[in-house]
Parts: sequence; C-alpha cells; structure tokens
Amino acid sequence: QKEVEQNSGPLSVPEGAIASLNCTYSDRGSQSFFWYRQYSGKSPELIMFIYSNGDKEDGRFTAQLNKASQYVSLLIRDSQPSDSATYLCAVRDDKIIFGKGTRLHILP
Amino acid sequence: DTGVSQNPRHKITKRGQNVTFRCDPISEHNRLYWYRQTLGQGPEFLTYFQNEAQLEKSRLLSDRFSAERPKGSFSTLEIQRTEQGDSAMYLCASSPVGASNQPQHFGDGTRLSIL
Repeated sequence: QKEVEQNSGPLSVPEGAIASLNCTYSDRGSQSFFWYRQYSGKSPELIMFIYSNGDKEDGRFTAQLNKASQYVSLLIRDSQPSDSATYLCAVRDDKIIFGKGTRLHILP
Repeated sequence: DTGVSQNPRHKITKRGQNVTFRCDPISEHNRLYWYRQTLGQGPEFLTYFQNEAQLEKSRLLSDRFSAERPKGSFSTLEIQRTEQGDSAMYLCASSPVGASNQPQHFGDGTRLSIL
C-alpha cells in the first residue's frame, strides 16, 4: 500500500514569515509529486508540481524534492493570511495518492 | 478551458435511497478520476477511466457503488442503498492524454449528506 505522510498540524506562522510544509512517501519508485491547496469546503487546487530532485520555484512558493530520502517539502515565503488553508501533498501513480493534509494558519 | 464540472453541488438524501452524480471533464482530457473526501482526510481514490474504459477500482468501492463513462466524455457515479458512512465530498478530476506525469484538475465536488 503506497502511502503519503504529512503532519496534520495546525501549523501557525506569523504573517510575512516562511511557512515550511513537509511530506514523506513510501514508494521509492514514485516520479511525480504535487502540492495542492484546499480551502475549507472547496476542492483541491494545484499550486506546485515537481519531478526532479532539487528545488523548483514559482513566485512565493518553492517545492523541494529529495528522492533518496523520499521527502517533499513546500516553502511559502512572505506568508499572507490568504495562505491559510490545508495543504495536500500528493504522489502520482496512475491515480493520485494524497496525504491527509497539513492545516496552515497564518497569524496576522 | 471551462474546467471540470460536477453536478449537483450538494445532495441531501435519506438512508437507503440511491443517488447519482455527474462529472463533465475538461474536453480534451481522456482520463477521468473519482475521489471521496471526508472531514480531516485527504481525497481517497475510488476509480478512474481512460476514455470509456474503467481501468482501476479501489477496494473502497463496494458493490453499492458503480461508475460509468459510456461515451468517453462525462461520467456518472451511482451509490445504491446509501448508508450514513457514505456522507462525504465526492470529487472528480481529469487529466490530459498520455498524462502519467501530468497533474489532475479537480471539479468543485458534490457534497453528499445522508440523513
């Protein structure tokens, strides 16, 4: 059974600081990794994907992948109150396997 | 790009009734996925189609659940003899052709409440 593990939080971060969200996965053969943001009562929204080891930056977001450690992270710089949401880490097989999500709360 | 469309947005029904949900994927996407999400959990995979062929079903999908995609376009998910444990958000997603590495795009979901 392939698994994706995340700390459920809540993770509280002051506005303007860096939020760091972490995720581990069980299948060493996994190739594609995604971060989705989900506001309460809404569907998941893709914010980042990464396939190669290293960092990938998009605006205030940086995804980091370490396949040797089976570890994926998401950094959010200059955190804003609108970043308060649940962040879902996901691994693509043919379907997507999601973690349970980390609740992020940005403190004004 | 009109996005993935799901109907209805909300469904309230009594236990034991049958319900059917519809998903219209992004038009050029040949893969369509169904997920279920309960409070505090990530979405759980139920089943997926490539064109009209149902390629995989989760063990979560009991025999009360059936999904179809008859013409390779929209899909329906039916739950027969609903139970209270079926209360959840049912999410549909689609992805492009040959898209083993492509992300999936989600619809807004159908929230099912069983009384």
